Amino acid sequence: SQKIEQNSEALNIQEGKTATLTCNYTNYSPAYLQWYRQDPGRGPVFLLLIRENEKEKRKERLKVTFDTTLKQSLFHITASQPADSATYLCALVAAGNMLTFGGGTRLMVKP
Amino acid sequence: DADVTQTPRNRITKTGKRIMLECSQTKGHDRMYWYRQDPGLGLRLIYYSFDVKDINKGEISDGYSVSRQAQAKFSLSLESAIPNQTALYFCATSPGAATNEKLFFGSGTQLSVL
Repeated sequence: SQKIEQNSEALNIQEGKTATLTCNYTNYSPAYLQWYRQDPGRGPVFLLLIRENEKEKRKERLKVTFDTTLKQSLFHITASQPADSATYLCALVAAGNMLTFGGGTRLMVKP
Repeated sequence: DADVTQTPRNRITKTGKRIMLECSQTKGHDRMYWYRQDPGLGLRLIYYSFDVKDINKGEISDGYSVSRQAQAKFSLSLESAIPNQTALYFCATSPGAATNEKLFFGSGTQLSVL
């Protein structure tokens, strides 16, 4: 069956370090992948989109990689700040299908 | 003002009651969606609508119905609520033709069915 896996355990890191979150998928051939940020009591907010033919995408302190051989996307936040603490969701779409979300990983950045 | 507004923000109801959750948007988007979120399970698609005359079932539509009253309004109904429908419900919109476009979410409705 199709599955999207994100680490359900919270990731705790020190301010200033690089946070790396993982999104693995099975039995999908995604056309593209998106990352969202969700704060408590709020809806998800779109951050980045990366297509299957793109290896890497950057936006300010954010970097996303997409490895279709490993069936994995990595989401990096460099120089992390306490304000980056949130839950991060990956979502992917196979051609012609709807967006499917992973369960999210909670990031805690300690000052 | 929020671009995607959901009402109510919180609702507690009893088993068997009919419940309606409402969503309105000022973004001018054609596409609207209803998702539910359960801890550890991510967001699951209930129903979606690509325009006023278009309604489609998502992954978990059983026990739910929707109405697209206008381009800006998309409501979700639980005809006879049951406890396992306790969840956080989100409405979302997207602009149009490409399915790879990003979603814009409301702030959610926390529904508890006792």
